[in-house]
Amino acid sequence: SAVISQKPSRDICQRGTSLTIQCQVDSQVTMMFWYRQQPGQSLTLIATANQGSEATYESGFVIDKFPISRPNLTFSTLTVSNMSPEDSSIYLCSVGLAGPTDTQYFGPGTRLTVL
Amino acid sequence: ELKVEQNPLFLSMQEGKNYTIYCNYSTTSDRLYWYRQDPGKSLESLFVLLSNGAVKQEGRLMASLDTKARLSTLHITAAVHDLSATYFCAVDIPSGTYKYIFGTGTRLKVLA
Repeated sequence: SAVISQKPSRDICQRGTSLTIQCQVDSQVTMMFWYRQQPGQSLTLIATANQGSEATYESGFVIDKFPISRPNLTFSTLTVSNMSPEDSSIYLCSVGLAGPTDTQYFGPGTRLTVL
Repeated sequence: ELKVEQNPLFLSMQEGKNYTIYCNYSTTSDRLYWYRQDPGKSLESLFVLLSNGAVKQEGRLMASLDTKARLSTLHITAAVHDLSATYFCAVDIPSGTYKYIFGTGTRLKVLA
C-alpha cells in the first residue's frame, strides 16, 4: 500500500482566487491522479499527473483551470484557478500500484469551499 | 457514453439482514474495484476483482464479477451497524490504465 498526505485538509476561499493543493506519497510511484468529488456525489477523474511532462486531462477539465505539476515520483500539486462557488468540492489525489494489490490508493482529500 | 451505475443509491437495512448492491457498467472491462467511504473520510479499498468469475470475501462482505454481463455484486451478510458507509464500485477504462470511472455510489445505513 501507500501512505498519502494532502495539504491543506480544508480551506475556505474567495471567488476569483486560486488554491494549490499538495499531494505527497511515502514511496516512488509512477501513476498519480487527481479526482474531484462534489458534495454528495461520486468521484470524477480530473487528470493524470505525469512525471516530467504535462498532465493528461479528462474531458471537461482544462489546464488553465486546473494546472498540475509533478516534479518527481513522490509529489504533485493541483491548482484550482479563478475559483467560483461551483468549484466547492473535495479534491483527492490517488496513486496506482501495480502488482498483487493492483489498485489505487487515495489521499485524505482537501475540502474546498468557495464563497 | 461510459457509465457505471449502482443500485440501490440508498439502502437502509436492519442489523442481521442480508442484501446485495449491484454495479453495472456500460463497456468492456475485466477489472473492477470496490471502495468504502465513511462520512468526511477518504476512500478505503475493499476488493480488487481482476477477472471474470472472480469472487473475494472479507468478513461480512463478498464481491463478485461477471464481465460478460458487465455486472459486479457486493453482498452483505448479517449486516452490522459498522458497515454503514457509502460504497463505490469503479472500473478502469481502458482496462489496465488505472483511469477509474466511479459508480454513482450506494449509501448504506444499517439500523440497530
